[in-house]
Amino acid sequence: EAQVTQNPRYLITVTGKKLTVTCSQNMNHEYMSWYRQDPGLGLRQIYYSMNVEVTDKGDVPEGYKVSRKEKRNFPLILESPSPNQTSLYFCASSPTGFTGYTFGSGTRLTVV
Amino acid sequence: GENVEQHPSTLSVQEGDSAVIKCTYSDSASNYFPWYKQELGKGPQLIIDIRSNVGEKKDQRIAVTLNKTAKHFSLHITETQPEDSAVYFCAAKTSGTYKYIFGTGTRLKVLA
Repeated sequence: EAQVTQNPRYLITVTGKKLTVTCSQNMNHEYMSWYRQDPGLGLRQIYYSMNVEVTDKGDVPEGYKVSRKEKRNFPLILESPSPNQTSLYFCASSPTGFTGYTFGSGTRLTVV
Repeated sequence: GENVEQHPSTLSVQEGDSAVIKCTYSDSASNYFPWYKQELGKGPQLIIDIRSNVGEKKDQRIAVTLNKTAKHFSLHITETQPEDSAVYFCAAKTSGTYKYIFGTGTRLKVLA
């Protein structure tokens, strides 16, 4: 089944403790992206990647890092999480970046 | 900066009636406009999209219209069913970039 897989689905952590949310797609898509979803704000783009080793900032990149060492994987790294990063996170992929996304099921992160 | 306004934020309709959700974008260079449906606990799912060289697109009970002059596009759902109840997001992508701007979402309730 063609899909984007994120892990974990739920995560509670403490301020300052580094964490990684993994994302993997099995559709051989070139383009991958991370979004956060907050009530009343919709979906905001954090980072995106056009291909292996090529990444760029979205609208809200502060406090996040990404890497794209393999085409299928695009992990989101929070080096020092803070409570304002409590949110619902989605990974998405697209064949080229110029067509619609396939989204993962989401990761609900709580930073206390 | 670029912005996409979406209205209404909530919409209730009787089963069988039509529903219309409207979005207005600010960047006249936007050229791709997807719509996503998000069910509870799931990631957004692409339901229909339109490019700037087309004025209208239809897929069974759903249609999207685009008015480039006014910079707005709309989602039309006819003969609504309870399973259409979800949150709907519009988005706009600027030509020559990989950045998407999403609207803030519309919660649609179809009353049986």
